[in-house]
Amino acid sequence: AQSVTQPDIHITVSEGASLELRCNYSYGATPYLFWYVQSPGQGLQLLLKYFSGDTLVQGIKGFEAEFKRSQSSFNLRKPSVHWSDAAEYFCAVGPPYRGALIFGKGTTLSVSS
Amino acid sequence: GAGVSQSPSNKVTEKGKDVELRCDPISGHTALYWYRQSLGQGLEFLIYFQGNSAPDKSGLPSDRFSAERTGGSVSTLTIQRTQQEDSAVYLCASSLSTGGAQETQYFGPGTRLLVL
Repeated sequence: AQSVTQPDIHITVSEGASLELRCNYSYGATPYLFWYVQSPGQGLQLLLKYFSGDTLVQGIKGFEAEFKRSQSSFNLRKPSVHWSDAAEYFCAVGPPYRGALIFGKGTTLSVSS
Repeated sequence: GAGVSQSPSNKVTEKGKDVELRCDPISGHTALYWYRQSLGQGLEFLIYFQGNSAPDKSGLPSDRFSAERTGGSVSTLTIQRTQQEDSAVYLCASSLSTGGAQETQYFGPGTRLLVL
């Protein structure tokens, strides 16, 4: 069955430190991969997506993610975290033939000063 | 409007009552999705409409849940005989055209449903 695992429920990072949020997926072929962010009281916003090609993708707000086929992973990174990055982050996969996304359970990011 | 809108933003109901949740997609978007966000469960797909095609209902958890989309635009998610486990945030999203996963889905702010 298709699934997405985000192993870390909650992460705390100091402001200015680097960040890596982990995402592993289970899917028969290479799916489309996404990272969304949900800030308190706001809707989900797409950070970045991967379909094919270069395995390192750049997104908004200084985020990037790297697709590693051998590890079935799509980890999200940011070199320097800002307090405004505190939010919940969701990794998702989407079969190319079907629009519905399969989401992980999310990772809550807290940023300490 | 500029984005996906949902109403009401909050809904409190009693167990056994029916509720209707509304979604207005972005103008021109032909694909529309409903998801449910429950505490500890993350986001779960419920149903997906693409143009005039039959909806993909594979994510609906029971026959108490149904949805319709009128005129290819506004959608209503109906939950009959609500149960406490239906308490969640119901999110609607829309995408531009084909409805395939490559299309970016734009999410609304959600309707927070509480069943007492």
